[in-house]
Amino acid sequence: NAGVTQTPKFQVLKTGQSMTLQCAQDMNHEYMSWYRQDPGMGLRLIHYSVGAGITDQGEVPNGYNVSRSTTEDFPLRLLSAAPSQTSVYFCASSYGRGRNEQFFGPGTRLTVL
Amino acid sequence: DAKTTQPTSMDCAEGRAANLPCNHSTISGNEYVYWYRQIHSQGPQYIIHGLKNNETNEMASLIITEDRKSSTLILPHATLRDTAVYYCIVSLGGNQFYFGTGTSLTVIP
Repeated sequence: NAGVTQTPKFQVLKTGQSMTLQCAQDMNHEYMSWYRQDPGMGLRLIHYSVGAGITDQGEVPNGYNVSRSTTEDFPLRLLSAAPSQTSVYFCASSYGRGRNEQFFGPGTRLTVL
Repeated sequence: DAKTTQPTSMDCAEGRAANLPCNHSTISGNEYVYWYRQIHSQGPQYIIHGLKNNETNEMASLIITEDRKSSTLILPHATLRDTAVYYCIVSLGGNQFYFGTGTSLTVIP
């Protein structure tokens, strides 16, 4: 199993550009989440999903959209990037149904100029 | 979800036990205690979790006080590779985890 994969690893955007961060898992996990981590801080939850077709907002959802059309994929969309969205983004998944240990991807390092 | 309080940083001698404390005084009866660690800038790694009883796995032991208001993660024989930021999280489960700033553990040769 590849586990949780994220693409790209690095990305530089200009203010106002849009892009999608990709996240995929091959463990047949029901639950998936997106976090951001700013320098010197812990992770903050952006959006999460408890299954295909179901998403909800986390702690810091503004400026981000998500969808969950399949169990495997959970893309994160930035519609109009802002410098405040410069961060490291982590995707995570877990089996759910009482087995909630989350497995994290390697992260995407995003810089918005 | 309940908030947690952890020391900002700790040192531990290589080969000795590392005891990392966490206070979660507002934890509710059905919230679990989870521990994760983050090495350098990698994605966090699951270590262990528990509800009421003490737990042990191949990585660590988790001791939860009887009133559940605090817990301690024990790495029995710390190695240099255990240098990392350790996060204590309380959660109802699901995938809504709220990370704090964690404890930066440095294992000293």
